Amino acid sequence: GNSVTQMEGPVTLSEEAFLTINCTYTATGYPSLFWYVQYPGEGLQLLLKATKADDKGSNKGFEATYRKETTSFHLEKGSVQVSDSAVYFCALSGSGANSKLTFGKGITLSVRP
Amino acid sequence: GAGVSQSPSNKVTEKGKDVELRCDPISGHTALYWYRQRLGQGLEFLIYFQGNSAPDKSGLPSDRFSAERTGESVSTLTIQRTQQEDSAVYLCASSTRTSGYNEQFFGPGTRLTVL
Repeated sequence: GNSVTQMEGPVTLSEEAFLTINCTYTATGYPSLFWYVQYPGEGLQLLLKATKADDKGSNKGFEATYRKETTSFHLEKGSVQVSDSAVYFCALSGSGANSKLTFGKGITLSVRP
Repeated sequence: GAGVSQSPSNKVTEKGKDVELRCDPISGHTALYWYRQRLGQGLEFLIYFQGNSAPDKSGLPSDRFSAERTGESVSTLTIQRTQQEDSAVYLCASSTRTSGYNEQFFGPGTRLTVL
């Protein structure tokens, strides 16, 4: 079945540091890939997505590239802000009928001033 | 406009009791999903509704779990004879359709604690 593996956390960075959060996946067919974010006290929301190989999703300064050869979708940001402190989830949607999401365990990012 | 809403936001119950969780999807969204997030884990898919089609129940962990949805409106997730391992945050999401991927919008969740 489908699965998503995220790097272990938590991650603590200083403001303006470079961020990489690793994500790899296992899936049959051609999944779509996503990063979701959950800010403190808020619901889960879509951060970015990529629906085919070599696509790059981007939003709010975050980027992730769908790498089929390495089955990866690593999240990067060049300069993090305190407001980026949140829990980040990598997820995939398979090519099946119902588009259910398969999530990684999530990683907590804390950015200090 | 209004997003996905869920109630209650928190529920504490005793082992063996039944609980009912409610989800109000975004108006016009035909697809509705329930997920569960246990402590330190990612979200696990539970059940999916699409319009009037038969629901996909493949993620329900046991026959103590059931869910209903009338048309494209409210859904309820019922857990009978709750166990401590049922303690989790239960999240509902809705989207417009499922041919190809459409963004799922999540509610704030219901935190269930079984004592």
